[in-house]
Amino acid sequence: EVQLVESGGGLVQPGGSLRLSCAASGFTVSSNYMSWVRQAPGKGLEWVSVIYSGGSTYYADSVKGRFTISRHNSKNTLYLQMNSLRAEDTAVYYCARPHYDILTGSLNYFDYWGQGTLVTVSS
Amino acid sequence: SYVLTQPPSVSVAPGKTARITCGGNNIGSKSVHWYQQKPGQAPVLVIYYDSDRPSGIPERFSGSNSGNTATLTISRVEAGDEADYYCQVWDSSSDHPGWVFGGGTKLTVL
Repeated sequence: EVQLVESGGGLVQPGGSLRLSCAASGFTVSSNYMSWVRQAPGKGLEWVSVIYSGGSTYYADSVKGRFTISRHNSKNTLYLQMNSLRAEDTAVYYCARPHYDILTGSLNYFDYWGQGTLVTVSS
Repeated sequence: SYVLTQPPSVSVAPGKTARITCGGNNIGSKSVHWYQQKPGQAPVLVIYYDSDRPSGIPERFSGSNSGNTATLTISRVEAGDEADYYCQVWDSSSDHPGWVFGGGTKLTVL
């Protein structure tokens, strides 16, 4: 059974840093594409970052240069290092696995999601 | 970047049909996916590739996509269908591709 369990959220001051973790089970993180999606309180879903199985990383413009996605293969865990945090980064952060279509070579929907971890940036 | 537009809210009586739209420029040329999200819970995929249903999703949920509009249709609506619904596409058209979500539609069952 596939499971994604996030941790590491909490209250942090503006300008501070936080590292989120996503422990995966039921599949191998390093063999898959993995992503972070966030949701500000009362707002919609926003894609944040992705790490490809080959190691390439991409970010939404809103977090580029401040957030870093990575993975630890032996721990089968995904991370999101968040620096220079702003009030507008306050959100529930979800770890999610994008579905990769082997036939078309395209990325599509998110087939598995974690339960989310809340990050609050406030003084 | 690509923009998806959803109505903020849709209301429907139990047993009736709800239609939630998702507008985007030539969205019919893209694959559209739909998620259901209930309060305090993670999103759940209900439709993928425009009209396919994951296992465990009732047949009452269906989807279509053509031109500039994709539509999620929920037939014989039940109280348990009350939730926020989001459409989503993969945007590979820009120089930095990524996933795009619509703003979400709150479905209220009267």
